[in-house]
Amino acid sequence: SQQGEEDPQALSIQEGENATMNCSYKTSINNLQWYRQNSGRGLVHLILIRSNEREKHSGRLRVTLDTSKKSSSLLITASRAADTASYFCATEGLSGNTPLVFGKGTRLSVIA
Amino acid sequence: NAGVTQTPKFQVLKTGQSMTLQCAQDMNHNSMYWYRQDPGMGLRLIYYSASEGTTDKGEVPNGYNVSRLNKREFSLRLESAAPSQTSVYFCASSENYGYTFGSGTRLTVV
Repeated sequence: SQQGEEDPQALSIQEGENATMNCSYKTSINNLQWYRQNSGRGLVHLILIRSNEREKHSGRLRVTLDTSKKSSSLLITASRAADTASYFCATEGLSGNTPLVFGKGTRLSVIA
Repeated sequence: NAGVTQTPKFQVLKTGQSMTLQCAQDMNHNSMYWYRQDPGMGLRLIYYSASEGTTDKGEVPNGYNVSRLNKREFSLRLESAAPSQTSVYFCASSENYGYTFGSGTRLTVV
């Protein structure tokens, strides 16, 4: 069963705008990760946030984590057409070395 | 570095045929994984190997077997393919945090 649920399922924005995607999960986690998937390709790791962190930045990406609400958000600032992709959150459980559980993803379209 | 290499990239099988999907990584990672991706379903874990010599079932293991041949290679076998196994299959590897994925195998069972 899916641990993470992304919201919205699909998002369409203009180039230069910010894109926000949300992820909710059900059980306590060790960390939460975000991945990008371009059409027809494998997933690429973007950023990891640990359960004791609240916010993390990487370039134009900003991730927040609220463990009390069991939710996370991914913000992409000043979006570009090349950001068009599907974005997935994935959670690692508390037990050591448990595989990631992925959500169903948000499909982002950035229109030039 | 090649990262994670999957073969083949595309395959069409007839119902009942068998095949093995190959996966190899050159990053000296201990853990390897097989996921399948279906439209609207995200990625679901089939099997994983936390280290060489160990394998464990994931969420959807029925109809599949795996072999961790050595630290580099982790293969997925379909003994008797069914149309429900039509999917895109991804292999991944990891060491500590962050997975590295292969480019996938698109499998169609007719």
